Amino acid sequence: SQKIEQNSEALNIQEGKTATLTCNYTNYSPAYLQWYRQDPGRGPVFLLLIRENEKEKRKERLKVTFDTTLKQSLFHITASQPADSATYLCALDMDTGRRALTFGSGTRLQVQP
Amino acid sequence: ETGVTQSPTHLIKTRGQQVTLRCSSQSGHNTVSWYQQALGQGPQFIFQYYREEENGRGNFPPRFSGLQFPNYSSELNVNALELDDSALYLCASSTTSGRLSETQYFGPGTRLLVL
Repeated sequence: SQKIEQNSEALNIQEGKTATLTCNYTNYSPAYLQWYRQDPGRGPVFLLLIRENEKEKRKERLKVTFDTTLKQSLFHITASQPADSATYLCALDMDTGRRALTFGSGTRLQVQP
Repeated sequence: ETGVTQSPTHLIKTRGQQVTLRCSSQSGHNTVSWYQQALGQGPQFIFQYYREEENGRGNFPPRFSGLQFPNYSSELNVNALELDDSALYLCASSTTSGRLSETQYFGPGTRLLVL
Protein backbone atom coordinates (compact mmCIF):
# COMPACT_ATOMS: atom_id res chain seq x y z
CA SER A 1 0.00 0.00 0.00
CA GLN A 2 1.02 3.59 -0.46
CA LYS A 3 3.28 5.05 2.23
CA ILE A 4 3.84 8.76 2.67
CA GLU A 5 6.69 10.30 4.61
CA GLN A 6 6.69 13.82 5.90
CA ASN A 7 9.28 15.25 8.23
CA SER A 8 7.89 14.66 11.71
CA GLU A 9 10.25 17.23 13.19
CA ALA A 10 8.70 20.67 13.53
CA LEU A 11 10.05 23.31 11.19
CA ASN A 12 10.89 26.63 12.84
CA ILE A 13 11.64 29.63 10.65
CA GLN A 14 11.79 33.40 10.94
CA GLU A 15 9.04 35.60 9.58
CA GLY A 16 9.71 36.65 6.00
CA LYS A 17 11.74 33.55 5.10
CA THR A 18 10.63 30.78 2.77
CA ALA A 19 9.40 27.57 4.38
CA THR A 20 9.98 24.36 2.44
CA LEU A 21 8.19 21.16 3.44
CA THR A 22 8.86 17.74 1.95
CA CYS A 23 6.56 14.85 1.10
CA ASN A 24 8.00 11.54 -0.12
CA TYR A 25 5.95 8.56 -1.19
CA THR A 26 6.63 4.94 -2.06
CA ASN A 27 5.11 2.48 -4.47
CA TYR A 28 2.99 3.63 -7.35
CA SER A 29 2.80 7.17 -8.65
CA PRO A 30 -0.46 8.89 -7.80
CA ALA A 31 -2.63 10.65 -10.34
CA TYR A 32 -2.44 13.76 -8.16
CA LEU A 33 -1.08 15.01 -4.88
CA GLN A 34 -2.69 17.48 -2.50
CA TRP A 35 -1.57 19.70 0.34
CA TYR A 36 -3.77 20.61 3.29
CA ARG A 37 -3.36 22.90 6.26
CA GLN A 38 -4.60 21.86 9.69
CA ASP A 39 -4.86 24.04 12.78
CA PRO A 40 -5.06 22.42 16.24
CA GLY A 41 -8.45 20.78 16.88
CA ARG A 42 -9.77 21.69 13.42
CA GLY A 43 -10.36 19.78 10.20
CA PRO A 44 -7.80 19.98 7.38
CA VAL A 45 -8.29 22.76 4.83
CA PHE A 46 -7.43 22.18 1.17
CA LEU A 47 -4.62 24.35 -0.22
CA LEU A 48 -3.36 23.03 -3.54
CA LEU A 49 -3.69 20.06 -5.89
CA ILE A 50 -1.04 19.13 -8.44
CA ARG A 51 -1.49 16.47 -11.10
CA GLU A 52 1.07 13.92 -12.23
CA ASN A 53 1.66 15.75 -15.52
CA GLU A 54 2.29 19.10 -13.79
CA LYS A 55 5.72 20.03 -12.48
CA GLU A 56 4.73 23.09 -10.50
CA LYS A 57 1.62 24.86 -9.21
CA ARG A 58 1.33 28.26 -7.56
CA LYS A 59 -1.29 30.06 -5.53
CA GLU A 60 -0.42 33.43 -4.03
CA ARG A 61 2.53 32.77 -1.66
CA LEU A 62 2.28 29.00 -2.03
CA LYS A 63 4.15 26.85 -4.51
CA VAL A 64 4.07 23.08 -4.94
CA THR A 65 6.37 20.94 -7.06
CA PHE A 66 5.84 17.32 -8.03
CA ASP A 67 8.71 15.08 -9.14
CA THR A 68 7.39 11.65 -10.09
CA THR A 69 10.93 10.35 -10.71
CA LEU A 70 12.05 11.19 -7.18
CA LYS A 71 8.57 10.38 -5.83
CA GLN A 72 8.62 13.66 -4.00
CA SER A 73 6.63 16.85 -3.61
CA LEU A 74 7.95 20.09 -2.15
CA PHE A 75 5.63 22.69 -0.62
CA HIS A 76 6.94 26.25 -0.33
CA ILE A 77 5.52 29.23 1.55
CA THR A 78 7.29 32.43 0.59
CA ALA A 79 7.40 35.54 2.78
CA SER A 80 6.14 33.44 5.67
CA GLN A 81 4.04 35.02 8.41
CA PRO A 82 3.25 33.92 11.98
CA ALA A 83 -0.32 33.22 10.75
CA ASP A 84 1.15 30.47 8.54
CA SER A 85 2.00 28.47 11.68
CA ALA A 86 0.07 25.20 11.42
CA THR A 87 0.49 21.54 10.49
CA TYR A 88 0.72 20.85 6.76
CA LEU A 89 -0.47 17.50 5.43
CA CYS A 90 0.41 15.85 2.15
CA ALA A 91 -2.22 13.52 0.65
CA LEU A 92 -2.38 11.16 -2.31
CA ASP A 93 -5.17 9.22 -3.96
CA MET A 94 -5.34 5.65 -2.69
CA ASP A 95 -3.87 2.89 -4.79
CA THR A 96 -7.02 0.81 -4.69
CA GLY A 97 -9.00 3.13 -6.90
CA ARG A 98 -11.10 4.23 -3.98
CA ARG A 99 -12.16 7.81 -4.13
CA ALA A 100 -10.38 8.73 -0.91
CA LEU A 101 -6.99 9.93 0.23
CA THR A 102 -3.97 8.58 2.02
CA PHE A 103 -2.43 11.24 4.27
CA GLY A 104 1.02 11.72 5.65
CA SER A 105 1.40 12.46 9.34
CA GLY A 106 2.07 16.12 8.64
CA THR A 107 4.82 18.62 9.39
CA ARG A 108 4.28 21.31 11.98
CA LEU A 109 5.48 24.74 10.86
CA GLN A 110 6.21 27.47 13.40
CA VAL A 111 6.94 30.95 12.03
CA GLN A 112 8.62 33.17 14.58
CA PRO A 113 7.93 36.94 14.48
CA GLU B 1 -15.49 27.49 6.25
CA THR B 2 -16.25 24.50 4.03
CA GLY B 3 -19.98 24.11 4.60
CA VAL B 4 -19.48 20.64 6.07
CA THR B 5 -20.91 20.34 9.55
CA GLN B 6 -20.45 17.62 12.15
CA SER B 7 -22.16 16.84 15.41
CA PRO B 8 -21.49 16.60 18.23
CA THR B 9 -18.26 18.56 18.58
CA HIS B 10 -17.10 16.58 21.62
CA LEU B 11 -18.18 13.31 23.15
CA ILE B 12 -17.11 11.22 26.13
CA LYS B 13 -18.04 7.53 26.24
CA THR B 14 -16.97 4.51 28.24
CA ARG B 15 -15.46 1.32 26.91
CA GLY B 16 -18.05 -1.04 25.41
CA GLN B 17 -20.59 1.67 24.61
CA GLN B 18 -21.82 2.60 21.15
CA VAL B 19 -21.60 6.01 19.48
CA THR B 20 -23.16 7.70 16.43
CA LEU B 21 -21.51 10.67 14.77
CA ARG B 22 -23.26 12.82 12.17
CA CYS B 23 -22.15 14.79 9.15
CA SER B 24 -23.89 17.13 6.72
CA SER B 25 -22.05 17.42 3.44
CA GLN B 26 -21.43 20.55 1.44
CA SER B 27 -24.21 21.46 -0.95
CA GLY B 28 -23.81 19.70 -4.30
CA HIS B 29 -21.43 17.02 -3.00
CA ASN B 30 -22.45 13.39 -3.47
CA THR B 31 -19.58 11.64 -1.73
CA VAL B 32 -18.81 11.48 1.97
CA SER B 33 -15.65 10.01 3.47
CA TRP B 34 -14.91 9.39 7.13
CA TYR B 35 -11.44 9.58 8.63
CA GLN B 36 -10.00 8.87 12.06
CA GLN B 37 -7.16 11.07 13.25
CA ALA B 38 -5.18 10.08 16.31
CA LEU B 39 -3.09 12.71 18.08
CA GLY B 40 0.03 13.58 16.08
CA GLN B 41 -1.00 11.49 13.08
CA GLY B 42 -2.57 12.20 9.73
CA PRO B 43 -6.19 11.28 9.03
CA GLN B 44 -6.77 7.58 8.32
CA PHE B 45 -9.47 6.55 5.90
CA ILE B 46 -12.34 4.59 7.48
CA PHE B 47 -14.84 4.33 4.61
CA GLN B 48 -16.60 6.28 1.93
CA TYR B 49 -20.20 6.57 0.73
CA TYR B 50 -21.23 7.50 -2.78
CA ARG B 51 -24.93 7.80 -3.59
CA GLU B 52 -25.91 5.93 -0.41
CA GLU B 53 -23.64 2.93 -1.10
CA GLU B 54 -20.38 2.10 0.64
CA ASN B 55 -17.69 2.77 -1.93
CA GLY B 56 -14.60 1.51 -0.20
CA ARG B 57 -13.27 0.80 3.24
CA GLY B 58 -9.98 1.25 5.00
CA ASN B 59 -8.39 -1.09 7.51
CA PHE B 60 -11.08 -0.77 10.19
CA PRO B 61 -13.08 -3.59 11.82
CA PRO B 62 -16.78 -4.20 11.13
CA ARG B 63 -17.80 -2.50 14.37
CA PHE B 64 -17.21 0.70 12.42
CA SER B 65 -20.24 1.12 10.17
CA GLY B 66 -21.95 3.92 8.35
CA LEU B 67 -24.89 5.22 6.40
CA GLN B 68 -25.53 7.85 3.79
CA PHE B 69 -28.96 9.37 3.36
CA PRO B 70 -30.72 10.63 0.20
CA ASN B 71 -29.70 14.21 1.05
CA TYR B 72 -26.06 12.93 1.16
CA SER B 73 -25.69 13.48 4.90
CA SER B 74 -24.00 10.61 6.69
CA GLU B 75 -23.57 8.80 9.99
CA LEU B 76 -20.64 6.92 11.45
CA ASN B 77 -21.48 4.28 14.05
CA VAL B 78 -18.94 2.63 16.29
CA ASN B 79 -19.95 -0.33 18.45
CA ALA B 80 -18.15 -1.85 21.43
CA LEU B 81 -15.93 1.19 21.91
CA GLU B 82 -12.31 0.60 22.83
CA LEU B 83 -9.84 2.99 24.44
CA ASP B 84 -7.91 3.23 21.15
CA ASP B 85 -11.00 4.63 19.44
CA SER B 86 -10.29 7.94 21.16
CA ALA B 87 -9.52 10.31 18.31
CA LEU B 88 -10.76 13.17 16.15
CA TYR B 89 -13.30 11.84 13.64
CA LEU B 90 -13.41 13.81 10.44
CA CYS B 91 -16.04 13.83 7.76
CA ALA B 92 -15.14 15.05 4.28
CA SER B 93 -17.41 15.67 1.35
CA SER B 94 -16.47 15.84 -2.29
CA THR B 95 -17.73 15.39 -5.79
CA THR B 96 -16.64 12.40 -7.75
CA SER B 97 -15.46 12.76 -11.32
CA GLY B 98 -14.66 9.49 -12.94
CA ARG B 99 -12.55 7.12 -10.95
CA LEU B 100 -11.02 9.51 -8.50
CA SER B 101 -12.40 11.96 -6.01
CA GLU B 102 -10.42 15.10 -5.88
CA THR B 103 -10.47 17.84 -3.29
CA GLN B 104 -11.95 16.81 0.03
CA TYR B 105 -13.79 19.41 2.10
CA PHE B 106 -13.50 18.59 5.75
CA GLY B 107 -15.79 19.37 8.62
CA PRO B 108 -14.46 20.56 11.99
CA GLY B 109 -14.47 17.01 13.39
CA THR B 110 -15.89 15.29 16.45
CA ARG B 111 -13.48 14.72 19.32
CA LEU B 112 -14.28 11.34 20.91
CA LEU B 113 -12.80 10.32 24.23
CA VAL B 114 -13.29 6.73 25.40
CA LEU B 115 -12.68 6.12 29.10
